[in-house]
Amino acid sequence: GQNIDQPTEMTATEGAIVQINCTYQTSGFNGLFWYQQHAGEAPTFLSYNVLDGLEEKGRFSSFLSRSKGYSYLLLKELQMKDSASYLCAVRDKEAAGNKLTFGGGTRVLVKP
Amino acid sequence: DTEVTQTPKHLVMGMTNKKSLKCEQHMGHRAMYWYKQKAKKPPELMFVYSYEKLSINESVPSRFSPECPNSSLLNLHLHALQPEDSALYLCASSLGGELFFGEGSRLTVL
Repeated sequence: GQNIDQPTEMTATEGAIVQINCTYQTSGFNGLFWYQQHAGEAPTFLSYNVLDGLEEKGRFSSFLSRSKGYSYLLLKELQMKDSASYLCAVRDKEAAGNKLTFGGGTRVLVKP
Repeated sequence: DTEVTQTPKHLVMGMTNKKSLKCEQHMGHRAMYWYKQKAKKPPELMFVYSYEKLSINESVPSRFSPECPNSSLLNLHLHALQPEDSALYLCASSLGGELFFGEGSRLTVL
């Protein structure tokens, strides 16, 4: 089974930096994904980590430590359009069909 | 074509109705998924098809019946649903990496 935890809500100011943490416990880790979801829309893929370390993609970076069961998503130079839910998802290698399980999501509110 | 297309976008049905949700992708992805999402909750996995065969059923009630007619299409047949089944139903596909999601079908059961 899997247990994925992330904060429920975070608030930050436009232009600032926000770090969203995700901790997980899984029987067979095979990668961690971050998705962004605006209200009423489908989730969109942001980043993927399978090895330890930092992956950078423009204003977004994601970090993974497999030994600690820990990841974070870093959003820099926040913009109003970054107000959304951010979902941490873990892939289980024990399961057939590339099973992806989502954490509860973190709602980020960017204020002017 | 990097899209997953879902129809209909909105569906209202009574508890005695039979309806279907449809999903289509032309990216050559061999894994396709149905997720259910309630408001302010994360997507919950329902079914996974891998190479057109059902590989995961997350103990979903039989009033939901998935079907994968070919590698590009995925259906979800609905019958005798309950009001608590009202939710956003998301289809996704994957080549083994990230999932690509459709826009979802918003279902209301009266």
